[in-house]
Amino acid sequence: QSVLTQPPSVSGAPGQRVTISCTGSSSNIGAGYDVNWYQQLPGTAPKLLIYVNINRPSGVPDRFSGSKSGTSASLAITGLQTEDEADYYCQSYDSSLSGSVFGGGTKLTVL
Amino acid sequence: QVQLQESGPGLVKPSGTLSLTCAVSGGSISSSNWWSWVRQPPGMGLEWIGEIYHSGSTNYNPSLKSRVTISIDKSKNQFSLKLSSVTAADTAVYYCASLWGGGWFDPWGQGTLVTVSS
Repeated sequence: QSVLTQPPSVSGAPGQRVTISCTGSSSNIGAGYDVNWYQQLPGTAPKLLIYVNINRPSGVPDRFSGSKSGTSASLAITGLQTEDEADYYCQSYDSSLSGSVFGGGTKLTVL
Repeated sequence: QVQLQESGPGLVKPSGTLSLTCAVSGGSISSSNWWSWVRQPPGMGLEWIGEIYHSGSTNYNPSLKSRVTISIDKSKNQFSLKLSSVTAADTAVYYCASLWGGGWFDPWGQGTLVTVSS
């Protein structure tokens, strides 16, 4: 069981908007620690998608956006494309563990 | 830009020790980043194992701490992972990654599958 909770799966049609939630607790997101998001395409290593809650690395389309509020964070993807089919993971720091924690991952299916 | 590459045996016997190395290229391992290991069992999510700074300071996942050692070799610009007393539950793809001061992992190595089996 992961410290950060994500829905196992989400889906949407091409062009639509989807959101993926990431729920933590008072020892991680709720304590003010930042949330980062990763995209893992099938058979590849995770790739940084969003860092420090809202920032996109160079090369990441602005269709991807992040937000954080209270003990939760969200990743939004607009204008869904077939190449967005992947697993998405949130990550933060946990003071109880004194280390990084990940969500269980969300599989995005583009219908 | 910095690139990471894992190497090591793909098969380890139960009760043995898993040993992997991560070579850092395109940058110095003595930079301000931490150097981390993350694993992913087949079909499952990501698990943080631990990290090391160029000073030798380490942080480990409490669930693995008794079995994990991460070390650094600045002369070779690489860092290593040792996980002892392995079982089938340690079968996973092991990734090395650079951990920035702000808490995010980037970049990641391509990953290496380690299977624990007799």
